Amino acid sequence: AQSVTQPDIHITVSEGASLELRCNYSYGATPYLFWYVQSPGQGLQLLLKYFSGDTLVQGIKGFEAEFKRSQSSFNLRKPSVHWSDAAEYFCAVGKAAGNKLTFGGGTRVLVKP
Amino acid sequence: DAGITQSPRHKVTETGTPVTLRCHQTENHRYMYWYRQDPGHGLRLIHYSYGVKDTDKGEVSDGYSVSRSKTEDFLLTLESATSSQTSVYFCASESGNTIYFGEGSWLTVV
Repeated sequence: AQSVTQPDIHITVSEGASLELRCNYSYGATPYLFWYVQSPGQGLQLLLKYFSGDTLVQGIKGFEAEFKRSQSSFNLRKPSVHWSDAAEYFCAVGKAAGNKLTFGGGTRVLVKP
Repeated sequence: DAGITQSPRHKVTETGTPVTLRCHQTENHRYMYWYRQDPGHGLRLIHYSYGVKDTDKGEVSDGYSVSRSKTEDFLLTLESATSSQTSVYFCASESGNTIYFGEGSWLTVV
């Protein structure tokens, strides 16, 4: 069965500092990997996705993620965070069409002025 | 965006009453999903649909049923609501192997 682990429940980062969110997955085949962001009281917005090809993928809002098959990881990074990046971030794994995603428990990011 | 709208957005209901949440999408997507979100659990799949009248159970389907009589509508029904079903419910649809979510329905069972 597929599973996703986000080891950090909360992360606090200063505005302007770099951010890295960890995601480890377990999946029996080549995974489709996703990062979503959720602001309070809102739905989930897709940040980026990886299906195949270049293992470093760029997303919206200045985020990027790197797929490392040997480590079963898909960590999300941003070089310099803004106060508006305070939100909860979810990593998810799935497959091709009929994509029943499995989500991690989420990482809540707080941004200090 | 997949033009997904959920209704109602907020509802308080009593234990034992039936509740139906509606999801409507305007993009003619084949695949649709219902998830619930609870603290510490991320999102968990309740039911999904591969097309009209074609549905199947997800990870946490007990106490829920779904129907899809038209491509654009996917209904989630709690036959007899319980306090453990207090949650935020998200509908989603799929385009290009990517899932897009609605804004959520906040359900409180008292």
